[in-house]
Amino acid sequence: GEDVEQSLFLSVREGDSSVINCTYTDSSSTYLYWYKQEPGAGLQLLTYIFSNMDMKQDQRLTVLLNKKDKHLSLRIADTQTGDSAIYFCAESPSGGYQKVTFGIGTKLQVIP
Amino acid sequence: DTEVTQTPKHLVMGMTNKKSLKCEQHMGHRAMYWYKQKAKKPPELMFVYSYEKLSINESVPSRFSPECPNSSLLNLHLHALQPEDSALYLCASSETGGSEKLFFGSGTQLSVL
Repeated sequence: GEDVEQSLFLSVREGDSSVINCTYTDSSSTYLYWYKQEPGAGLQLLTYIFSNMDMKQDQRLTVLLNKKDKHLSLRIADTQTGDSAIYFCAESPSGGYQKVTFGIGTKLQVIP
Repeated sequence: DTEVTQTPKHLVMGMTNKKSLKCEQHMGHRAMYWYKQKAKKPPELMFVYSYEKLSINESVPSRFSPECPNSSLLNLHLHALQPEDSALYLCASSETGGSEKLFFGSGTQLSVL
């Protein structure tokens, strides 16, 4: 079955770059996502990438995909204290209302 | 309007109570979801409705009963819950077809005593 793995914790200083990594096992994954969850809140979609892409950039966020190694990363440039949250990697197979599988989440702590 | 609204935000109930969680979206999305999230865990899919029809039930116990009265509303009826059912219940919606970008509500924090 599908499996998505992430490290549990990352601590960075304000202004530095953060890199959160994720690996997945399902080779049929077509869409890969990054969601952010702040305490007491729901999940917010930050960005997503199609499996036929290598990179996607959106303002301070850069997503890199290595399809051969099934490795996904999220880079946050100029990390701010407001970026402190849990970041979930997720994947789904091709189209429709398919099941989205989430990783366990990486807690990002930004030190002022 | 890009919001998914869930009520109530917090709910405490006894094991013999009957209660309902409500979810509403006005984005024209035709797929709606219930997820359960325990502390320090990822969300786990419970149910998916597509065009107001139940399309996925992830082997959820019958004490949880979903209902989709129309394309904007999703309910989760709760009856005879157990303390281990205490969790954050998240509603989400998405367009059907293509990438499933989920829009989540802020959840209902449920405690079962």
